[in-house]
Amino acid sequence: GAVVSQHPSRVICKSGTSVKIECRSLDFQATTMFWYRQFPKQSLMLMATSNEGSKATYEQGVEKDKFLINHASLTLSTLTVTSAHPEDSSFYICSAARSTADTQYFGPGTRLTVL
Amino acid sequence: AQSVTQLDSQVPVFEEAPVELRCNYSSSVSVYLFWYVQYPNQGLQLLLKYLSGSTLVKGINGFEAEFNKSQTSFHLRKPSVHISDTAEYFCAVNEEGGSEKLVFGKGTKLTVNP
Repeated sequence: GAVVSQHPSRVICKSGTSVKIECRSLDFQATTMFWYRQFPKQSLMLMATSNEGSKATYEQGVEKDKFLINHASLTLSTLTVTSAHPEDSSFYICSAARSTADTQYFGPGTRLTVL
Repeated sequence: AQSVTQLDSQVPVFEEAPVELRCNYSSSVSVYLFWYVQYPNQGLQLLLKYLSGSTLVKGINGFEAEFNKSQTSFHLRKPSVHISDTAEYFCAVNEEGGSEKLVFGKGTKLTVNP
């Protein structure tokens, strides 16, 4: 149990376009979902926390107008990178938790490359 | 605020040798502690976690970790490693009973050589 999927696993796009990444909890309901960004050979940096049905809470320094997060249901959260630029190229990982006190379960990640 | 220090960025070992990956944390409150493993181009998989109770925690794939409150450490150990254990290992903490936000260390790359 506690499986989290992400789609797509890899995406290449042109500069200026928008890209949507989906995160799904497959066998449980996730009250809370998290979005992380990981640069090569570095750790995960939390971008934002989203609770189902409410606005996401962004970490300091993360542009909420650029990284749009929607958590419309208990099994789906989406991250949209708007007007992507090469510096947005990174590995984006989501995680999901049943509740505030629950362990986070991570998705397999999405590799975004902006040309 | 919490912080996590993983002292070794890379640890090379030979197959069947024991290994210890070090993790120290800093926090003004009680914390929960986690170890995650990341294989190339994949997400993170939970190895083990300490929430309360016994300070020696056993996880998957033969790994274990010991919580030492006085030394603020949570080192990960395995008595005999396999080639397949080659991966990046991350230690993480979050505040007990508080925010669910995880704070990660920078990671340790474990390379198991034949």
